[in-house]
Amino acid sequence: DGGITQSPKYLFRKEGQNVTLSCEQNLNHDAMYWYRQDPGQGLRLIYYSQIVNDFQKGDIAEGYSVSREKKESFPLTVTSAQKNPTAFYLCASSMRAGRGYTFGSGTRLTVV
Amino acid sequence: EDQVTQSPEALRLQEGESSSLNCSYTVSGLRGLFWYRQDPGKGPEFLFTLYSAGEEKEKERLKATLTKKESFLHITAPKPEDSATYLCAVQAQFLMTTDSWGKLQFGAGTQVVVTP
Repeated sequence: DGGITQSPKYLFRKEGQNVTLSCEQNLNHDAMYWYRQDPGQGLRLIYYSQIVNDFQKGDIAEGYSVSREKKESFPLTVTSAQKNPTAFYLCASSMRAGRGYTFGSGTRLTVV
Repeated sequence: EDQVTQSPEALRLQEGESSSLNCSYTVSGLRGLFWYRQDPGKGPEFLFTLYSAGEEKEKERLKATLTKKESFLHITAPKPEDSATYLCAVQAQFLMTTDSWGKLQFGAGTQVVVTP
């Protein structure tokens, strides 16, 4: 079955440490997105990519980095510059026409 | 700036008690309005897309409607398994800059609890 796979499901980060969240899709979608979800707030866009080797900052990109070397993969690195990284992170993808997203199951990141 | 406001923030219903969720939006030309369902600890699951005022879509006990300024998600005779957070999102018309391509702007969601 086609879908989006995020891993790991739970991730713990120590202060000053970089961590990378994985996102892989086999839907042949062109666009991929990373969102952050905090309690009581809507999903906020971190980064998005429309094609391979190209990506744009979203509304809250500071402290995050991404790469898009393959169409299927869009990993997100949470760097030590992100001061409040504890959140639920969601990856999504869509066809180029942008008719709505398919979401992964999410990664919950906690700072310890 | 595109904005999406959902109300109420939380809704507690008895099984069989019908109700409606509201999604108010401001966007510079609506391309589409999306409804998603999200269970705790999981990613959102697509429900509906609405494209123009007057459009309606149904799925089991859920019915979504759209006007020029808001959308409603009606839950008819809900069951406990309808308990979830319902998210609304809007997509603006494509502009000539790549920044506006395909992005969804989400509301904060309405948490629905249906008790037996």
